[in-house]
Amino acid sequence: DAGVIQSPRHEVTEMGQEVTLRCKPISGHNSLFWYRQTMMRGLELLIYFNNNVPIDDSGMPEDRFSAKMPNASFSTLKIQPSEPRDSAVYFCASSPTGSIRNTEAFFGQGTRLTVV
Amino acid sequence: AQKVTQAQTEISVVEKEDVTLDCVYETRDTTYYLFWYKQPPSGELVFLIRRNSFDEQNEISGRYSWNFQKSTSSFNFTITASQVVDSAVYFCALSEASGNTPLVFGKGTRLSVIA
Repeated sequence: DAGVIQSPRHEVTEMGQEVTLRCKPISGHNSLFWYRQTMMRGLELLIYFNNNVPIDDSGMPEDRFSAKMPNASFSTLKIQPSEPRDSAVYFCASSPTGSIRNTEAFFGQGTRLTVV
Repeated sequence: AQKVTQAQTEISVVEKEDVTLDCVYETRDTTYYLFWYKQPPSGELVFLIRRNSFDEQNEISGRYSWNFQKSTSSFNFTITASQVVDSAVYFCALSEASGNTPLVFGKGTRLSVIA
């Protein structure tokens, strides 16, 4: 049974370049979450979707960040233009109900982004 | 606003020792959910346990046990007879039933178990 799949696992890019992170949630899950992990700020929620619709994007740091979920099996997180302070591990998670509150979230292995 | 505090940044123990990881939370909701996740060196986040605010029974799963105390807003995690494979970062998390934020995580506690 495949878990949440993220790609790429590692990404190194130059400042100013566009970066796209990808996520395939677990089949049948209808909630999807993007988190960012840094040493300074820990795990922060960036945005989450329910039934492909963005519910709360208040965690998106600035307009350089955007996320889409065109269908139930795919989501992207895009950073354009990227900056060194965007370097972090980005996690995607999915949950089988409409709310993460009463069930656990299943996390992907993360994408380690380094912007030089 | 919901908040999770894990005051212990790093803990080192010798194998076979018991260790308790502390978690204190803040919420105004009467209905909420508490979680523990493990992040081993490989980096993935592994779900360990979920507790709802109406269930204060402590839980034991093998060498792991959890102590939920609403009176002190704490949800502590104990590993008995620790093993090297327990070395990881452990995160406590909170989700309010009525809030818009799905899961708020603590900063994590890095546990090192030394052989």
